[in-house]
Amino acid sequence: GAVVSQHPSWVICKSGTSVKIECRSLDFQATTMFWYRQFPKQSLMLMATSNEGSKATYEQGVEKDKFLINHASLTLSTLTVTSAHPEDSSFYICSAPSFTGFRNQPQHFGDGTRLSIL
Amino acid sequence: QQQVKQSPQSLIVQKGGISIINCAYENTAFDYFPWYQQFPGKGPALLIAIRPDVSEKKEGRFTISFNKSAKQFSLHIMDSQPGDSATYFCAASIWNTDKLIFGTGTRLQVFP
Repeated sequence: GAVVSQHPSWVICKSGTSVKIECRSLDFQATTMFWYRQFPKQSLMLMATSNEGSKATYEQGVEKDKFLINHASLTLSTLTVTSAHPEDSSFYICSAPSFTGFRNQPQHFGDGTRLSIL
Repeated sequence: QQQVKQSPQSLIVQKGGISIINCAYENTAFDYFPWYQQFPGKGPALLIAIRPDVSEKKEGRFTISFNKSAKQFSLHIMDSQPGDSATYFCAASIWNTDKLIFGTGTRLQVFP
């Protein structure tokens, strides 16, 4: 089945550090990937849509200069949290559609990256 | 209008029982409705999905019931097992964006 891999799974760093999270589709190509943020015991909130070969599309209220997205190839999208602060601590999850069904569905999710900023 | 309302927030079911989770939406532009299962520290995994041209879809112990006129859909888990204990999210996708709008989640606990 379709597999999406995220790396790292957990990162702890000091305030002011920039952190890069990778999202890879392992057995299929994805021209579109999605990045979500999830706070403890809450739902997933879409942050941005990553588009291969073009700029990402950000949801309202998401700072594009804070959360840099690069979709460098058909199997890799990266999210960089720049100058991270404690309020950026969260669970970040990516997804990619496998194109085996209906349009861009179903979406397959990675196992997430837990980011803790001290 | 972009919201998907989900209930209950938490659910406790005995082993072998039926778990029922409900979702409702307002936006008629939604045309794809998946259910996801999430275990702690993991990403959501697709369970089952439905499009509005059918009223019911069944896969194993999981059934989606869809009521287009009422703009409601529900997940039924038959013969619930302790291994089903997880958080369940309904979601909806708008036809021209493919973005998934998630419900608030239901924490299911199945006791032996």
